[in-house]
Amino acid sequence: GEKVEQHQSTLSVREGDSAVINCTYTDTASSYFPWYKQEAGKSLHFVIDIRSNVDRKQSQRLTVLLDKKAKRFSLHITATQPEDSAIYFCAASKGPGSFNKLTFGAGTRLAVCP
Amino acid sequence: ETAVFQTPNYHVTQVGNEVSFNCKQTLGHDTMYWYKQDSKKLLKIMFSYNNKQLIVNETVPRRFSPQSSDKAHLNLRIKSVEPEDSAVYLCASSWTDQDTQYFGPGTRLLVL
Repeated sequence: GEKVEQHQSTLSVREGDSAVINCTYTDTASSYFPWYKQEAGKSLHFVIDIRSNVDRKQSQRLTVLLDKKAKRFSLHITATQPEDSAIYFCAASKGPGSFNKLTFGAGTRLAVCP
Repeated sequence: ETAVFQTPNYHVTQVGNEVSFNCKQTLGHDTMYWYKQDSKKLLKIMFSYNNKQLIVNETVPRRFSPQSSDKAHLNLRIKSVEPEDSAVYLCASSWTDQDTQYFGPGTRLLVL
């Protein structure tokens, strides 16, 4: 089955710097890649997603890049703020017929230091 | 703003007991899910329920069973809990099985 790996368990950046969180996946049939944020003691909050028909998607300070050849996708956060500190999860699922079965990475704990 | 509601927030029980968790979504979504998040924060899909069709993750033990009265509700029952069932159980919903999933606040289960 699909495996999604997040290669950084933790990431520390200074406030105002950029942060990049990387994920890889194994199943070439995967076509939907969402990102979720989990703050301490809270549930998952959807932040941004990308589908395989594009290779880049931006929403304000967030950009997702998708490299289908390398089976890699990444979340870029610019001008980081302390409130960006959280665990970020990437996920992948296949297209129609897969019932949106999301396979999650293990999470990257982002710390934004003042 | 929460639109996927879960009860209880927290539940402590003993090995062998039966527990039931509730999930309700007010988003009008057609598809609902249950996920398990363990102590290491690892997330795994347990069930998805779409138009009365249940998709089961084959790794889920038989003591777990989802129950749905309508498309806005998907409950989770665990018969005879075991220590490894201690985790946070997260409910989610989406419009269709291809859309963004929105998560509830979770139910934390502790099995003594």
